[in-house]
Amino acid sequence: EPEVTQTPSHQVTQMGQEVILRCVPISNHLYFYWYRQILGQKVEFLVSFYNNEISEKSEIFDDQFSVERPDGSNFTLKIRSTKLEDSAMYFCASSFGTESYEQYFGPGTRLTVT
Amino acid sequence: GESVGLHLPTLSVQEGDNSIINCAYSNSASDYFIWYKQESGKGPQFIIDIRSNMDKRQGQRVTVLLNKTVKHLSLQIAATQPGDSAVYFCAERSAGNNRKLIWGLGTSLAVNP
Repeated sequence: EPEVTQTPSHQVTQMGQEVILRCVPISNHLYFYWYRQILGQKVEFLVSFYNNEISEKSEIFDDQFSVERPDGSNFTLKIRSTKLEDSAMYFCASSFGTESYEQYFGPGTRLTVT
Repeated sequence: GESVGLHLPTLSVQEGDNSIINCAYSNSASDYFIWYKQESGKGPQFIIDIRSNMDKRQGQRVTVLLNKTVKHLSLQIAATQPGDSAVYFCAERSAGNNRKLIWGLGTSLAVNP
């Protein structure tokens, strides 16, 4: 069964450093998403991406964040200058088409900012 | 009531019993709802979804009920098994041309053998 994959599973970085989180969505999906989940809290939407551009973003997704689909398979989230409060699980998700809202999630990347 | 931080609402059931997990949503304009299951250390896993033009949908061992009058969603799990132990999230999508899912806090389900 096809699945969303994410790398790395755990990333430790120092405050102020740049990190890139990587995702490989399901191959025939058209919509891609990033969510984050601070430990013990609800899942929060960050950004959605379609047709090589951001279609929606939340107030969390400020200028420190960017997304890219550099080739036909990868979908990345970059945080330019990490802050302590960026520590969270980051989930990538993808969904198929215009009438399907069901999103499939990857296993997540745990980001720890020290 | 809603909890914050580490104090998730918790439901404890005996193996073989039926479980009912409830969710109150806030936006009357939401037209699509989805239940996810999240096991410890894993990403959310799709369970079942329902559109606002329906009030009930059944899957394998699971049923979702939607009451738009009181903005309430429930997930019923029949014959609960130890493997059902997880945190369950409801999420909603507002009507319109967006795909953002707004998530609830989650309910922790513990199945006692």
